[in-house]
Amino acid sequence: QVQLQESGPGLVEPSGTLSLTCSVSGGSISSPGYYWGWLRQPPGKGLEWIASVYYSGSTYYNPALKSGVSISVDTSRNHFSLRLNSVTAADTAVYYCAREDRSTGYLFNHAFDIWGQGTVVTVSS
Amino acid sequence: DIQMTQSPSTLAASVGDRVTITCRAGQSISRWLAWYQQKSGKAPKLLIYKASNLASGVPSRFSGRGSGTDFTLTISSLQPDDFATYYCQQYDTYSTFGQGTKVEIK
Repeated sequence: QVQLQESGPGLVEPSGTLSLTCSVSGGSISSPGYYWGWLRQPPGKGLEWIASVYYSGSTYYNPALKSGVSISVDTSRNHFSLRLNSVTAADTAVYYCAREDRSTGYLFNHAFDIWGQGTVVTVSS
Repeated sequence: DIQMTQSPSTLAASVGDRVTITCRAGQSISRWLAWYQQKSGKAPKLLIYKASNLASGVPSRFSGRGSGTDFTLTISSLQPDDFATYYCQQYDTYSTFGQGTKVEIK
């Protein structure tokens, strides 16, 4: 059974860089049937998709957030990562990584069928 | 981006009730819509994809309908485990979520 686990610092200083990694276990990140994505949820608010990546390295970003956001995949380590530059308090949120099943959608747009437990990131000095 | 509007924002219901949540898209999204259930402090769980397809392991009391701009999620007989917040997600153009509907105990 595929499981996802987020890791990274829980506290980031304003104007700094947020870096998170999602480790995939129980399956290969190189499977052609899936994309891999990052989402976030500010305290008490709804969900926001940030970016997605395919094992080939193709990337897709939320147009509203694209500036300063970078997603990458490391197939040798079976994980994918997120970097968010120049963070502010507005970037404080629970960050989730998730798997996207290609059979649920089309092109690079899919539903998220498996989620990590989430990691809390606070932007504060 | 495509705006998703859910109604109601909060819904109070009793065990055994039939519950319906509505999601409206700002433009047509065909049937590229998913529904998720989220409990406090937990990650969302996929319930429905492609508007009406039940995700693996999801009880049959959950069902989804709709196409174009108007969609519904129905729980045919509310169970104690169903009190949670529900989100819709469009994935026709990138991905955006509704603001959520909290199902509370009446």
